[in-house]
Amino acid sequence: DQQVKQNSPSLSVQEGRISILNCDYTNSMFDYFLWYKKYPAEGPTFLISISSIKDKNEDGRFTVFLNKSAKHLSLHIVPSQPGDSAVYFCAASAMGTSYDKVIFGPGTSLSVIP
Amino acid sequence: EAQVTQNPRYLITVTGKKLTVTCSQNMNHEYMSWYRQDPGLGLRQIYYSMNVEVTDKGDVPEGYKVSRKEKRNFPLILESPSPNQTSLYFCASSLTVATNEKLFFGSGTQLSVL
Repeated sequence: DQQVKQNSPSLSVQEGRISILNCDYTNSMFDYFLWYKKYPAEGPTFLISISSIKDKNEDGRFTVFLNKSAKHLSLHIVPSQPGDSAVYFCAASAMGTSYDKVIFGPGTSLSVIP
Repeated sequence: EAQVTQNPRYLITVTGKKLTVTCSQNMNHEYMSWYRQDPGLGLRQIYYSMNVEVTDKGDVPEGYKVSRKEKRNFPLILESPSPNQTSLYFCASSLTVATNEKLFFGSGTQLSVL
């Protein structure tokens, strides 16, 4: 059973609009979350992260929101640009516990249409 | 340039023929890991290493071996490849073993086992 879920395999958004990518997790021990971005024929690259002590983290056009009670996080991209077209992986970890691993979701493929 | 280098990028082999995928990082990172990416399953960890001569199994270690004789290198060995090991493989490293540390990924190795 997947502990980190990204229920939308793909998403299409018009350039300039907001992209919202969702991620749900089941393990309440997870307390740190990361987003990675992957272009075709390249490895994933780190995008943004959030600790469970926060509910929002912002970096330029990218904002991640965390709702711990719902075990849900979302990545907002505003405004979306064609260069944002990529696969986005959500990842979760539990720091300082015996559960010392990072779990990745299946990914969401974002297409930003010019 | 700081990077994780994997070779080869593409590999086609036959069942049972031993192969090695190399991984090298030039960032003096403590932690290294191998993942495989399969459709709908995201990135699943095969093996990881917290330091030289320290390796451990990830979530899907069956059929794989690793070694960490030097800090910079972390090869993945398939002693007797089978068709179910056809996948896209990524090597990754991070500065420390903390699970909130961002991972740096190689460009990937697409393996096909016939």
